[in-house]
Amino acid sequence: EPEVTQTPSHQVTQMGQEVILRCVPISNHLYFYWYRQILGQKVEFLVSFYNNEISEKSEIFDDQFSVERPDGSNFTLKIRSTKLEDSAMYFCASSASLVSGANVLTFGAGSRLTVL
Amino acid sequence: DAKTTQPNSMESNEEEPVHLPCNHSTISGTDYIHWYRQLPSQGPEYVIHGLTSNVNNRMASLAIAEDRKSSTLILHRATLRDAAVYYCIQERNTPLVFGKGTRLSVIA
Repeated sequence: EPEVTQTPSHQVTQMGQEVILRCVPISNHLYFYWYRQILGQKVEFLVSFYNNEISEKSEIFDDQFSVERPDGSNFTLKIRSTKLEDSAMYFCASSASLVSGANVLTFGAGSRLTVL
Repeated sequence: DAKTTQPNSMESNEEEPVHLPCNHSTISGTDYIHWYRQLPSQGPEYVIHGLTSNVNNRMASLAIAEDRKSSTLILHRATLRDAAVYYCIQERNTPLVFGKGTRLSVIA
């Protein structure tokens, strides 16, 4: 069964450092997402991406965050200068359609980011 | 805001059916109901979705009330592997918004 692949599975970084989280979405999917989950809390939407541009973003997704699809397969989330509160599990997801009722997301296993 | 209400937690015996309820009283005519689950230390996983009619797939069944203000996810025979947080999501445009869900414990 097709899957969304995320790397690294766990990254530890110092506060203020840049971090790039990588995702390989399902190959025929067109819509890409990043969500995050702080330990013990809800899964929160960060950003959606379609046709090489951001479709929607949440209040969490401030200027410290950026997304990119540098080639035909990878989808990346960059945090420019990490803060302690960025420590969370980051999930990438993709879907084939945005049509209401057909917008089924496939999530990756997540990348755990720990900021010290 | 497309908000759903679910119990915080439920418990089931292994190999028994489980009925997970969800209230979505603000649902409009075109909002689909989606269910996802999150196994421990994993990403959310799609389970099932529907609009008006009851739906079945290999994982579960979805029963939607006639007035569509509530729905029930049915796991026909719970296994230990079904222990997870189950999220009921009212799809109103995008993106999908996750609530706190119901934490299902399965007892052997």
